Amino acid sequence: SQTIHQWPATLVQPVGSPLSLECTVEGTSNPNLYWYRQAAGRGLQLLFYSVGIGQISSEVPQNLSASRPQDRQFILSSKKLLLSDSGFYLCAWTPPYHTDTQYFGPGTRLTVL
Amino acid sequence: AQSVSQHNHHVILSEAASLELGCNYSYGGTVNLFWYVQYPGQHLQLLLKYFSGDPLVKGIKGFEAEFIKSKFSFNLRKPSVQWSDTAEYFCAVNAKDSNYQLIWGAGTKLIIKP
Repeated sequence: SQTIHQWPATLVQPVGSPLSLECTVEGTSNPNLYWYRQAAGRGLQLLFYSVGIGQISSEVPQNLSASRPQDRQFILSSKKLLLSDSGFYLCAWTPPYHTDTQYFGPGTRLTVL
Repeated sequence: AQSVSQHNHHVILSEAASLELGCNYSYGGTVNLFWYVQYPGQHLQLLLKYFSGDPLVKGIKGFEAEFIKSKFSFNLRKPSVQWSDTAEYFCAVNAKDSNYQLIWGAGTKLIIKP
């Protein structure tokens, strides 16, 4: 069966520090991968999605970037965190040819101080 | 642009009460509709979905939702809620025309009083 992992589960970082959040999927090949930020009262905001290695689409211009160095690995990064980057970050995947239903990871709670 | 509206941000009910959470979307084409649920401390997970066919969809844990195309609605219902239904519920929509990118509602926090 397929599983999705995210780490770390929680992270507290100072303003201006770098960020690296990792998401990996097991039990499938060539998944579509997604990064979301969940803000209270505002639902989920799609940040990036990827249909393959090295292929990243950005939905919202911001202080963050994403990379997909391996088929089942999706990384969310920042060179210098801002206070406004605080939030709950979710990774999700879909099978390559069945993109209708997304499956979510446990999320990372990021606090920037 | 597509959008999804969930009109109730917080709902508080007693056990055994009936539940209906509203969801409306704005998109003129063919859509897929979803309800996701996030229980306290758990992953966001799929509750039910509608792609085509019978507009009354049954999901896990006794939930159902009805797609009314003329009203652009996909309301979630449960005839008798339980304390364990306390969670946040999200409505979402995607469409083939937009590469199946999910558009999310803001969520409804449901609290069931024992």
